[in-house]
Amino acid sequence: EVQLVESGGGLVQPGGSLRLSCAASGFTFSNYWMAWVRQAPGKGLEWVANINQDGSLKYYVDSVKGRFTISRDNAKNSLYLQVSSLRAEDTAVYYCARSGKGSMRYWGQGTLVTVSS
Amino acid sequence: QSALTQPASVSGSPGQSITISCTGTSSDVGGYNFVSWYQQHPGKVPKLMISEVSNRPSGVSDRFSGSKSGNTASLTISGLQAEDEADYYCSSYTSSSTPWVFGGGTKLTVL
Repeated sequence: EVQLVESGGGLVQPGGSLRLSCAASGFTFSNYWMAWVRQAPGKGLEWVANINQDGSLKYYVDSVKGRFTISRDNAKNSLYLQVSSLRAEDTAVYYCARSGKGSMRYWGQGTLVTVSS
Repeated sequence: QSALTQPASVSGSPGQSITISCTGTSSDVGGYNFVSWYQQHPGKVPKLMISEVSNRPSGVSDRFSGSKSGNTASLTISGLQAEDEADYYCSSYTSSSTPWVFGGGTKLTVL
């Protein structure tokens, strides 16, 4: 059974940083693109970033470029999102998802990031 | 503002069919067959319903179907059921600086 479990969210002040993690199991992690998608409270889904199988290709939504960094550790079956210079508008539930052919078949339960002073 | 345009809401009665549209441009929906649809119930995780315009993942009811014409993709739900009441989002690959985009979402109400 495919499982994705996010962690690392929390309350952080504007300008602060967090490292989000996603532990994957039930599939060969190194064979798949992975993605982060976020959802602000009461709002729609927003694709944030994705990364290819060996970590050599990374893509970001314009609003987070230079502030967020996606990475992975295939030996640990883990995906990460380093979020820095946080703003109030980054407040959201951050989902980890397994990507394939343009779609995201499996999603984690999400981790909430709240940016507030 | 979302790159893909969806109606804010649609509604239908049990047993009826409804269609949700997702309008983009030739740089996204019209240019690639990487359109997908997601269902999200309140407080729940999104669920993939359709991939690559019209492919239905295993376990998804055949009442759900997808199609595309020009720059507009569509999700059709036939034989509406109360459990179909949810938010629906389309997504597409795009040749812009942000390679993947979602639509703004459509709230489906089953009357």
